[in-house]
Amino acid sequence: EIVLTQSPATLSLSPGERATLSCRASQSVSSYLAWYQQKPGQAPRLLIYDAFNRATGIPARFSGSGSGTDFTLTISSLEPEDFAVYYCQQRTNWQYSFGQGTKLEIK
Amino acid sequence: EVQLVESGGGLVQPGGSLRLSCTASGFTFTSYSMNWVRQAPEKGLEWVSYITSSTTGIYYADSVKGRFTISRDNAKNSVYLQMNSLRAEDTALYYCARSLKGSFDSWGQGILVTVSS
Repeated sequence: EIVLTQSPATLSLSPGERATLSCRASQSVSSYLAWYQQKPGQAPRLLIYDAFNRATGIPARFSGSGSGTDFTLTISSLEPEDFAVYYCQQRTNWQYSFGQGTKLEIK
Repeated sequence: EVQLVESGGGLVQPGGSLRLSCTASGFTFTSYSMNWVRQAPEKGLEWVSYITSSTTGIYYADSVKGRFTISRDNAKNSVYLQMNSLRAEDTALYYCARSLKGSFDSWGQGILVTVSS
């Protein structure tokens, strides 16, 4: 089973700042890595798939990078609505797993 | 607009069974693989099961293998999750989610399953 480890667990930033969230896989997942945003009481929302492709309707301030075992989600300039929990997710050999999440909170 | 609506959740005793349904609209259902993903209270996300559009490919997480069965009825635009031998650790909000290249691009609002005596 591939384990995804996200860091940091909590990130405290202010609107307008740049956010960098990390996801490390226990073994290579090639580029099969996605990122989601979840707000309280809501279903997750796909942001990035295949490591760097933005999903439909996702603003350009969200970007993904990385391959193999190390991946990054960058939010270039935080908007008030971006404060939420973020999860990474991988798929290999028809098994899927999620990271434990990074909570992005307002400083 | 893509819509996924789950139903069938509720309270069940340990060892009991429950069948979840997810009805899709707003897209060509037969063109997409579908999934169930769950989230225990105040916890993270856990993928449960996957089914291809033609049902030729079905996969499960180890935590539910042998107890849960995924199926679909393309004529009814629906996907199902039959859950048997339920345990307390199966308590969660269960989401139906559409597949996109190994990710999940559309989600329902979720249905709560509580396993307790």
